[in-house]
Amino acid sequence: ETGVTQSPTHLIKTRGQQVTLRCSSQSGHNTVSWYQQALGQGPQFIFQYYREEENGRGNFPPRFSGLQFPNYSSELNVNALELDDSALYLCASRAPNTEAFFGQGTRLTVV
Amino acid sequence: KNQVEQSPQSLIILEGKNCTLQCNYTVSPFSNLRWYKQDTGRGPVSLTIMTFSENTKSNGRYTATLDADTKQSSLHITASQLSDSASYICVVIAQGGKLIFGQGTELSVKP
Repeated sequence: ETGVTQSPTHLIKTRGQQVTLRCSSQSGHNTVSWYQQALGQGPQFIFQYYREEENGRGNFPPRFSGLQFPNYSSELNVNALELDDSALYLCASRAPNTEAFFGQGTRLTVV
Repeated sequence: KNQVEQSPQSLIILEGKNCTLQCNYTVSPFSNLRWYKQDTGRGPVSLTIMTFSENTKSNGRYTATLDADTKQSSLHITASQLSDSASYICVVIAQGGKLIFGQGTELSVKP
């Protein structure tokens, strides 16, 4: 149990639709980062939020966006879904100068 | 370019045997290196955390080593169990907190 909860656990969407994935972190975890993990691959960094501001971004297009809220929860939004967006999406949160804890992931399938 | 490379890509061993997984990295500077265990479709769970000044760290049957001069780390698993079957991911944390993932080693323990 890492104290980081993601919802939903599984999701099926149609190409072109929009999706919102959620992550609930432990109190005090003011840094949250999101990752996309394709089958058989390591996680790829999407972006990171610190105190509700994006402070780092990987090589993902603008249709991947996020929000972080004062209650330590966050969202990953993906617009205009493509088939290649099918993956496990992970969030990781941490307090200052501590290790990151991962949620269990959301398995997104785009058909 | 920051990179973390792991070998082998996959490994099959018999229950009770030992194994060693390798991680080479070029991330510099870095604050610490971590090994995670990831069960299929789940989020990664931390096994060991080492700073650049530590050479070895144990967690039960898991022992991680780090050679900061050669930029190599290894994860040794002793007396393997069926429940050790998972993906093992080497993660280097760059200064600033960005997590840089290896692609993982898929370990399968057979009875």
